[in-house]
Amino acid sequence: GAVVSQHPSWVICKSGTSVKIECRSLDFQATTMFWYRQFPKQSLMLMATSNEGSKATYEQGVEKDKFLINHASLTLSTLTVTSAHPEDSSFYICSAAPRGSRSYNEQFFGPGTRLTVL
Amino acid sequence: QKEVEQNSGPLSVPEGAIASLNCTYSDRGSQSFFWYRQYSGKSPELIMFIYSNGDKEDGRFTAQLNKASQYVSLLIRDSQPSDSATYLCAVRSGSARQLTFGSGTQLTVLP
Repeated sequence: GAVVSQHPSWVICKSGTSVKIECRSLDFQATTMFWYRQFPKQSLMLMATSNEGSKATYEQGVEKDKFLINHASLTLSTLTVTSAHPEDSSFYICSAAPRGSRSYNEQFFGPGTRLTVL
Repeated sequence: QKEVEQNSGPLSVPEGAIASLNCTYSDRGSQSFFWYRQYSGKSPELIMFIYSNGDKEDGRFTAQLNKASQYVSLLIRDSQPSDSATYLCAVRSGSARQLTFGSGTQLTVLP
């Protein structure tokens, strides 16, 4: 149980286009989902926290108008990179915290999406 | 600014040896401490978490926490080549569920 999927697993796009990444909790409901970004040889950096039915909370330095997050249901959150540029090329990883979890520490990671912007 | 510091390595140990990975954190309000393993090109996998001072063992892995020193470590006994990966320390503070990650330590277990 506790599987999180991401789609697509990788994407290559041209500069200036927008890319949508989906994060789904397959066998549980997630009240909170997190979006991370990881550049090569670096650690995961939290971009934003999304709660179902409310606006996402962005970390300092993350442009909310460039990285649009929608958490429309308890099993789906989407991250849209608008007007992508080569510097946005990175590994984007989501994680999901189960609804009603007895452990506040439970958080399950998706397999990640590698974005390459040409 | 919450910081989590790790020695980037690389750390090399022979097969069968004990690998010791260290992590320090700056926020005294930190509640829970996590160790993740990340293979190249993959997302992190949770190894274990700890929230009380002392040791916590799970198979070949032992996490050690010292809140007074703001220090958490991971010991891997009987290291195997398949343990070769980057190990990420992560910290959760206060009532938030967000995790702050360290930069990771690259471990290589030599056959």
